[in-house]
Amino acid sequence: DTEVTQTPKHLVMGMTNKKSLKCEQHMGHRAMYWYKQKAKKPPELMFVYSYEKLSINESVPSRFSPECPNSSLLNLHLHALQPEDSALYLCASSQEAGATYDEQYFGPGTRLTVT
Amino acid sequence: AQSVTQLDSHVSVSEGTPVLLRCNYSSSYSPSLFWYVQHPNKGLQLLLKYTSAATLVKGINGFEAEFKKSETSFHLTKPSAHMSDAAEYFCVVSSTTSGTYKYIFGTGTRLKVLA
Repeated sequence: DTEVTQTPKHLVMGMTNKKSLKCEQHMGHRAMYWYKQKAKKPPELMFVYSYEKLSINESVPSRFSPECPNSSLLNLHLHALQPEDSALYLCASSQEAGATYDEQYFGPGTRLTVT
Repeated sequence: AQSVTQLDSHVSVSEGTPVLLRCNYSSSYSPSLFWYVQHPNKGLQLLLKYTSAATLVKGINGFEAEFKKSETSFHLTKPSAHMSDAAEYFCVVSSTTSGTYKYIFGTGTRLKVLA
């Protein structure tokens, strides 16, 4: 199974709502990633988890809160978002962050709209 | 520091004609290079990766790329374009800086295939 799944596919939320994005992989990968992608732009790295510990936080606002409950799951908790946070949120996983030629497998993404 | 430049933001080809998507990289050591494809509103799919085992790398869907160290290039080619190849293509170099590892994305090339 070389699949990364993400739920929900689409999410519309108000600026006062709290919601969560979920990501799951069963490839035994020990690194998981959250990216934000705006239209017609490349993905921007937000967070990296390595062995279930947060290893990179790319200065992301605190209204985004990642969580890695176990080696297969990655969540992104959302609270008090702004309209400019509307984007495609991509989850990815890889065998081990930093390993030579380590390739990332991407999920289909969650299309988030903040109203 | 590692970086990657995609020389064309848009490329248009006729169906059945060759495809060339250009990528130049900058790296202080032997790089890890990847090509990903993204269809509209989808996640990213790995086409191929450079692993130093061979300079000509074959990927999925008939794509291949040639690593040229002297030209610091990793151009993506396909002999005959298909309508289903229309998508956004990203060239990626992996970077390890100060103990942290991440992907550096090019700005992307949108491939249009004309009937």
